Amino acid sequence: EPEVTQTPSHQVTQMGQEVILRCVPISNHLYFYWYRQILGQKVEFLVSFYNNEISEKSEIFDDQFSVERPDGSNFTLKIRSTKLEDSAMYFCASNPRTAKNIQYFGAGTRLSVL
Amino acid sequence: GESVGLHLPTLSVQEGDNSIINCAYSNSASDYFIWYKQESGKGPQFIIDIRSNMDKRQGQRVTVLLNKTVKHLSLQIAATQPGDSAVYFCAENPPGAQKLVFGQGTRLTINP
Repeated sequence: EPEVTQTPSHQVTQMGQEVILRCVPISNHLYFYWYRQILGQKVEFLVSFYNNEISEKSEIFDDQFSVERPDGSNFTLKIRSTKLEDSAMYFCASNPRTAKNIQYFGAGTRLSVL
Repeated sequence: GESVGLHLPTLSVQEGDNSIINCAYSNSASDYFIWYKQESGKGPQFIIDIRSNMDKRQGQRVTVLLNKTVKHLSLQIAATQPGDSAVYFCAENPPGAQKLVFGQGTRLTINP
């Protein structure tokens, strides 16, 4: 069964450093998303990406964040100058032709900012 | 400072019993809803979805009910099994948006 894959599973970084979280969405899916989940809290939307551009973003997704689809398979989230409060699980998701459809989530990357 | 996580509602049921998990959603215009199961250390896993033109949808051992009048969703799990123990989230898709807006989550524990 096709699945969304994310790497690394755990990323540890020093405050102020830049990190890149990587995702391989399900092939033939067209919409891609990043969500985050702070420990013990609910899942929060960050950004959606369609047709090689950001289609929607939340207030959390400020200039510190950026997304890119560098090739036909990868979808990345870059966090510049990380802060302690960026520590969270980051989930990538994708869905097929329309947004009114199941979003399939990866297993997540746990980001720990020290 | 240290952040404090939300206190999750919890539900404990005996193995083999039925469980009902409730969720209130926020946007009366939302037209698509979905339930996810999240096991410890894993990503949300799709369970069942429903569109706003329906009141009820059934899957294998699961049923979702939608009450648009009071903006309420419920997930019924029949004949619960130990593997059903997890946190369950409802999510809504607001009109014109691609994002999912997740609810608080409920921790379901199945007792042997």
